[in-house]
This record gives sequence, structure tokens and C-alpha cells, in this order.
Amino acid sequence: ETGVTQTPRHLVMGMTNKKSLKCEQHLGHNAMYWYKQSAKKPLELMFVYNFKEQTENNSVPSRFSPECPNSSHLFLHLHTLQPEDSALYLCASSQDPAGYSYGYTFGSGTRLTVV
Amino acid sequence: TQLLEQSPQFLSIQEGENLTVYCNSSSVFSSLQWYRQEPGEGPVLLVTVVTGGEVKKLKRLTFQFGDARKDSSLHITAAQPGDTGLYLCAGGKGAQKLVFGQGTRLTINP
Repeated sequence: ETGVTQTPRHLVMGMTNKKSLKCEQHLGHNAMYWYKQSAKKPLELMFVYNFKEQTENNSVPSRFSPECPNSSHLFLHLHTLQPEDSALYLCASSQDPAGYSYGYTFGSGTRLTVV
Repeated sequence: TQLLEQSPQFLSIQEGENLTVYCNSSSVFSSLQWYRQEPGEGPVLLVTVVTGGEVKKLKRLTFQFGDARKDSSLHITAAQPGDTGLYLCAGGKGAQKLVFGQGTRLTINP
């Protein structure tokens, strides 16, 4: 398997539920990212991991909790979300942390609906 | 905050026409990238430009980086329905993370 794989592709959850999003990459990249994509808004960077260490938390509410057990896997744990958290959540990886030399490889995203 | 403004936000044209979309900023970037995102998928990198004035071609797509490295354009010749998608520009500066524009949603009608 090549590229960045995200599961599940679609998720509907209640505001009291706990769920997790999974991302894995087999590209040998050292940096991984979570982005939120909402309608009519630019991609919002949420978290950055470099060599498994979190290097950036872009003022994300604590109801979103990332986990990076190794350089190939990234999780986003969700609990007590709000309806406004409904969005497409994208995982990406890159060879260099800044991403500007080689660009990002994105997964297909998880379409999250909070009801 | 380094903002990237893309224009137009929406563009709908007929197959065979030419078009140009723009990505502008008041900041200087070390590099600028263009991505295309199709419905239900993540963005896919099309090109990276790093030198002021640089022009890169990808089949019918021509990308240009402004001389001052603050802006970029994407020109599509003889657009086809397969070009439909959301086009995102992203700028990089030093060790800072990529900054994305809000995108241009392009629709090519058969």
C-alpha cells in the first residue's frame, strides 16, 4: 500500500460519543499533520508531528486529542464534539517538517458529521 | 499571519476555454505549491515553484511564480471536464508550515 490512508472515510457521531480517526503512511515520511477542512474556509492546520513528537498544536480545543505512536501512524481521538466540528478531516505527511520543498501527501480524509 | 488570497473563488466555464486563477499575498514565500482536490478526496500536489519568475508546465497547465515571490498564477489551456476541482495554493517560508489559500472551485462544463 502506498500513499496516505485514512479510516474511516465517513463517520457520524453523537455529541457524547468517543471515536478515533486513523491515518497511516508508508512513504517513509517523518512529518505528519492533521488538517480540518470546512466549507468556504481555508485548510486549518490542527497538529504537526515530527519524528513522533508533537511540534505544533494550533490552539485546538481539548476535545480533539492526537496520538502518534510511530512515524507511520497518526490518530485523532474525538470526544464530546460539537455540531460545528463537522468537517472533512485530512491527514498529510511530508519528507520535511515545513513541507515546502517536497509538498504534502494527503489522505482522502474522513467526513465527520456530529449530530 | 501570512494570508494567501485566491481569486476567483468560483469559476464555471465551457470545455475548450482558457482560464487563469490567481494566488496573491503581501508576504514573500520561499516556495509556492499548487494542489488540486477532487470531491471526496484529499488535495494532490501539482507543482512546486521556488524561484521568482519561474514558469512550470504540466501538460495544459502553466504555473508561474511572481518575480517578487509574493504571488502565483495557474493558467489552463483548452479546459476539459477532468480539470474540475478545487485548486489550492500553499506558500512555504523557512521552517514555518505551509499556509493554504481558500481555494478556487473550478467547474468545466461539457
